[in-house]
Amino acid sequence: DAEITQSPRHKITETGRQVTLACHQTWNHNNMFWYRQDLGHGLRLIHYSYGVQDTNKGEVSDGYSVSRSNTEDLPLTLESAASSQTSVYFCASSESAGAEAFFGQGTRLTVV
Amino acid sequence: GQNIDQPTEMTATEGAIVQINCTYQTSGFNGLFWYQQHAGEAPTFLSYNVLDGLEEKGRFSSFLSRSKGYSYLLLKELQMKDSASYLCAVTNDYKLSFGAGTTVTVRA
Repeated sequence: DAEITQSPRHKITETGRQVTLACHQTWNHNNMFWYRQDLGHGLRLIHYSYGVQDTNKGEVSDGYSVSRSNTEDLPLTLESAASSQTSVYFCASSESAGAEAFFGQGTRLTVV
Repeated sequence: GQNIDQPTEMTATEGAIVQINCTYQTSGFNGLFWYQQHAGEAPTFLSYNVLDGLEEKGRFSSFLSRSKGYSYLLLKELQMKDSASYLCAVTNDYKLSFGAGTTVTVRA
């Protein structure tokens, strides 16, 4: 069965360190997204990609970057982790604008 | 910009009906999704409305009025397993913008 997986599921890192969260999907979807979820804010879009070599900034992109070298993967990098980036991160993919998005199980990141 | 509003919390009794409202003001609109999210888990798809009217899927129904910027999710015959957060999301150019979510607690 097709799926979307995130790793690691939990991570603790120190302020200032670079961190990369992995997202891998086997749906063969062109569209991939990274969200963060915080209490009171719901899911907020960080970055998204419509295909290989395409990346775009979402509403809360400062301090984050992504790259899309193939269809399956969209890694999210925190260039210099800050305590404000402590959150739960979800990766998602979709086939088209009217199709449901499938979410990974999430990565809980704590920056200390 | 995107502004999507839904109530923070709702409580209902097992077997009852609950209606979760969602109002939106967005810069673009292709359709409206409802997702369910249990604590500690990923959101999962419930429904999608692109045209005005009611979409029914088993115990869950979703309604959309594009002219009013309004949707609701209706949960019937509530079960304990329906205790979860319900997320309203507007899609524009493949991107989903989410409301903060409504936590529904079902009591016995």
